Amino acid sequence: SSELTQDPAVSVALGQTVRITCQGDSLRSYYASWYQQKPGQAPVLVIYGKNNRPSGIPDRFSGSSSGNTASLTITGAQAEDEADYYCNSRDSSGNHLTFGGGTKLTVL
Amino acid sequence: EVQLVQSGAEVKKPGESLKISCKGSGYSFTSYWIGWVRQMPGKGLEWMGIIYPGDSDTRYSPSFQGQVTISADKSISTAYLQWSSLKASDTAMYYCARFPATISGFDYWGQGTLVTVSS
Repeated sequence: SSELTQDPAVSVALGQTVRITCQGDSLRSYYASWYQQKPGQAPVLVIYGKNNRPSGIPDRFSGSSSGNTASLTITGAQAEDEADYYCNSRDSSGNHLTFGGGTKLTVL
Repeated sequence: EVQLVQSGAEVKKPGESLKISCKGSGYSFTSYWIGWVRQMPGKGLEWMGIIYPGDSDTRYSPSFQGQVTISADKSISTAYLQWSSLKASDTAMYYCARFPATISGFDYWGQGTLVTVSS
């Protein structure tokens, strides 16, 4: 099992706001990065660091962190945001990386 | 333009060896970590390990230590993932991805290499 815990599935109505969370002890010391993966495609980085978006990522994607929980928020979810989302950070030892189990986002 | 181009799909038998590749272009290959990520059919992403091609410093996930070997040839800007004896459970998609230490995230990904191990 992963040292980063994500809810397996989340749904959101079109145009509404959704938060996807990632919990783990290491998140008290390290930021998470977030990835979007659509079926049959490679993952895409959407958030890194405190709250940074790579070029080309819409500003409806944002990140935050508090205690042992990192969050990815999509403000005004679009149909094209339906995908699997993964967090990534250090493990509890700090010596290795690890991914969360992933959250399947459904846009209704 | 930064690109990571992986070698093509492989079909192998249990017990066979395999080496897949990831060629970087459009950036200084020796200045960025390259990681490998496994995705088994219908499952999530798993971090396998990472290498710094500049000095071949390599780190492995405890789950994959001893199971695979990660290497790089900086003269041809290529990273590798290899197995000495494949198992059916190695059947998966394998991705390489660039990991700038400055952002602590995988910013560019290869297209993936599908490895199928079946008798």
